[in-house]
Amino acid sequence: AQKVTQAQTEISVVEKEDVTLDCVYETRDTTYYLFWYKQPPSGELVFLIRRNSFDEQNEISGRYSWNFQKSTSSFNFTITASQVVDSAVYFCALSEAGQAGTALIFGKGTTLSVSS
Amino acid sequence: NAGVTQTPKFRILKIGQSMTLQCTQDMNHNYMYWYRQDPGMGLKLIYYSVGAGITDKGEVPNGYNVSRSTTEDFPLRLELAAPSQTSVYFCASRPVGALNSNQPQHFGDGTRLSIL
Repeated sequence: AQKVTQAQTEISVVEKEDVTLDCVYETRDTTYYLFWYKQPPSGELVFLIRRNSFDEQNEISGRYSWNFQKSTSSFNFTITASQVVDSAVYFCALSEAGQAGTALIFGKGTTLSVSS
Repeated sequence: NAGVTQTPKFRILKIGQSMTLQCTQDMNHNYMYWYRQDPGMGLKLIYYSVGAGITDKGEVPNGYNVSRSTTEDFPLRLELAAPSQTSVYFCASRPVGALNSNQPQHFGDGTRLSIL
């Protein structure tokens, strides 16, 4: 069965530290998509990145980078030089191409607190 | 372009009351979704729709009903509110088609519902 596990419930760091948020997924589908969303204290969900199962290239966007490894079924998210504004709940999610409606399956989220 | 609009933003209900959470999108997206988010948990799928007139159950449909009479609107109805339905509800939509196979879902800002 499909599943997304974010083992880190809460992480606290001091500004300028690097931090990695882990995400492990389970799926039987060969075509699937992985996402990261950010939920700041204001509550809305902000899309960060998507990856399809055929593209294992790592991606960097400013201070954000993502490491996708099919061999370990992981899609980890690293924030370099963290800032207070990075404080939020971060969700990893999975969507399977073969699933009707292609709804998102979410992990439970990791709460990141960045202090100054 | 408003995106996905949810109303109301906040609501308090008494046990046994009924209400409809409204969701409308102006992006002409075929797929629409309702999720609920409980504290410390990721989002869980309640219902989804792949087009006007077509709806289906998600992971946690009990106590809810939906309809999809138009492409734009996807209301969620609670018939007999129960304390277990206290949650934050998110509506989302996404485009479909060969060119949109991995497009992310667009989320509304959520409806915070308390049942006392």
